[in-house]
Amino acid sequence: TQLLEQSPQFLSIQEGENLTVYCNSSSVFSSLQWYRQEPGEGPVLLVTVVTGGEVKKLKRLTFQFGDARKDSSLHITAAQPGDTGLYLCAGSLGGGADGLTFGKGTHLIIQP
Amino acid sequence: DTEVTQTPKHLVMGMTNKKSLKCEQHMGHRAMYWYKQKAKKPPELMFVYSYEKLSINESVPSRFSPECPNSSLLNLHLHALQPEDSALYLCASSHPRSGSTDTQYFGPGTRLTVL
Repeated sequence: TQLLEQSPQFLSIQEGENLTVYCNSSSVFSSLQWYRQEPGEGPVLLVTVVTGGEVKKLKRLTFQFGDARKDSSLHITAAQPGDTGLYLCAGSLGGGADGLTFGKGTHLIIQP
Repeated sequence: DTEVTQTPKHLVMGMTNKKSLKCEQHMGHRAMYWYKQKAKKPPELMFVYSYEKLSINESVPSRFSPECPNSSLLNLHLHALQPEDSALYLCASSHPRSGSTDTQYFGPGTRLTVL
């Protein structure tokens, strides 16, 4: 059973379109991170959300943490080819020095 | 500075070789992690060190041996690996406290190929 369900797993859209990626769980997370990863490279942190209901913006990217801290979403406005990559959500269950629980990832392709 | 460095970038080894992967951070983090990532899959946790002590071992085979010489360094010693161990090995670090401070920062990874 996947603890953190991420959807969609694959998404290919045209430049300029909007998209949303979802991460859902039945577990409560102390924090949740979103990463972007290029092939053969390590995940690069985009944002950490901690408080239920929190919304953070990073240019055209908007991140939301659910009120109950069980789910999160990433919304990209006016997607660009440079947004292409693997997006990973990862949650910390116990906090502290705990391994992250990862979603399966969303492979995003933005076509020019 | 949120940089975690890993060496080497690429490693090719035979099944009888002994090699080591190295990771370093200078952010004052006291928790360090090893993850293994296969192609098109998310990272899987292998080991966690907290204050230089091994706190989590996710049932990793003994051919992988972690070591934390000090608070800035983390090694992964490899011996008698199998071809299925070929993967991207990622190091990460964080403050060992909950909330926004438990954010993990990843290194660029070591691409390991076992022949």
